[in-house]
Parts: sequence; structure tokens; C-alpha cells
Amino acid sequence: GAVVSQHPSWVICKSGTSVKIECRSLDFQATTMFWYRQFPKQSLMLMATSNEGSKATYEQGVEKDKFLINHASLTLSTLTVTSAHPEDSSFYICSARDGKTGGYTGELFFGEGSRLTVL
Amino acid sequence: AQSVTQPDIHITVSEGASLELRCNYSYGATPYLFWYVQSPGQGLQLLLKYFSGDTLVQGIKGFEAEFKRSQSSFNLRKPSVHWSDAAEYFCAVSSGNTGKLIFGQGTTLQVKP
Repeated sequence: GAVVSQHPSWVICKSGTSVKIECRSLDFQATTMFWYRQFPKQSLMLMATSNEGSKATYEQGVEKDKFLINHASLTLSTLTVTSAHPEDSSFYICSARDGKTGGYTGELFFGEGSRLTVL
Repeated sequence: AQSVTQPDIHITVSEGASLELRCNYSYGATPYLFWYVQSPGQGLQLLLKYFSGDTLVQGIKGFEAEFKRSQSSFNLRKPSVHWSDAAEYFCAVSSGNTGKLIFGQGTTLQVKP
């Protein structure tokens, strides 16, 4: 089955530093990847959509300069939280759409998530 | 705009009892509907999906869901709950062409021994 790997699974950083989270599709080509943010006991909030080789599309209210998304290849997307602050602490989940099978149905495959704690 | 509502934030059932988690959606065209399960600190696992055809869909772990267009609902059911089913359940809708998934608020399932 389609597998999406996310790394790191957890990270602790100091306020003001930047953190990069990677999302890889292991056995399929992910033409589109999505990044979600989840606060404790809450639902997933879509942050941005990234298409391979083009700029990410951010949802309203998401700071694109703070949350840098790069989708340089068909199997890798990265989310960089720049100048992180405690309020950026959250669970970040990536998901990917298989370019062959998911194009018309919207089915997504999810990574395991990355828990960011900013001190 | 698309939206998904899960009316029940928290549900507790006894092990072996039946389960129904409610999901209502708002979407202008035929929706693509999904149910995902999330264990604490984990990503999401797809339980089942509805794209078209038979309105009763079977999923993994003994779950099923029924699409009712007249009620704009896609409720998740399981005839006999196991303790390992305790988790967070999310209903989601996709427009298909954008690939975006819009999630409901989630329902926390607690299973009593």
C-alpha cells in the first residue's frame, strides 16, 4: 500500500530557531502534498497545498513566510517553521495524493505526524 | 463551501456493544467521503471511503458506513466494538478536483471494559 513517511516524529527547539520537517512518499509519486496542523484535542487544519515543482498554495490565515513549504521532487515535500515561537508548538501532519490513483477521488495517504515543541 | 459536522465530540460505549458515529456534510455536488481513525500521537489511517455506487461501504476492522444523500450523512457503524477501537475518528469530504480534504471536528471514542 501507499506509504508516507514523516521525519522527525518529534522535535524540540529553542524559540527563534528554524525547524524542518520532511514528508516522503515511499512507494508512489506524490504530485500533490498537503500539510495539516493539529492542536490537542482538535481537528486537522489544512495549512497549504504543494504541487511538485511549483509554489505552495496557502490557506487563508497561514503565514507563508513563517511556514515555508518546498516540494522539489515527486517524493519529497518539506515544511520549515522559521523563527519558531512557543505558539508554533503543534502536531504537524503531511499527506500525499498518488498522482495515478488519487487524482479524481481526493484520497490521501498520511504521514505519522511530527510533534513540534518550541521552548 | 464544503463543511463536515460530527455532532458527537465524545462517545463512550461498552466493549461488545454496537457503535454509530455521526457525520453530516455540506457539499453541492456528489461528495467523496472518508472516515479516518487516529490513535494518540499518530497519523491518520483510512477506515473506508465512498466515491460512488453502493451506498453501504465496507471498511477495515469491521467498520461500515452508509451514504444517505437525502440526509447529507455518512455515518460510521460497527456491530461490536473492541477495546482497541478506542481512538479519535474523523469524517472528511473531498471535492476531488483539488484533492483537499476537509475534516470534521472529530469524535473521541472511549470503550468501557
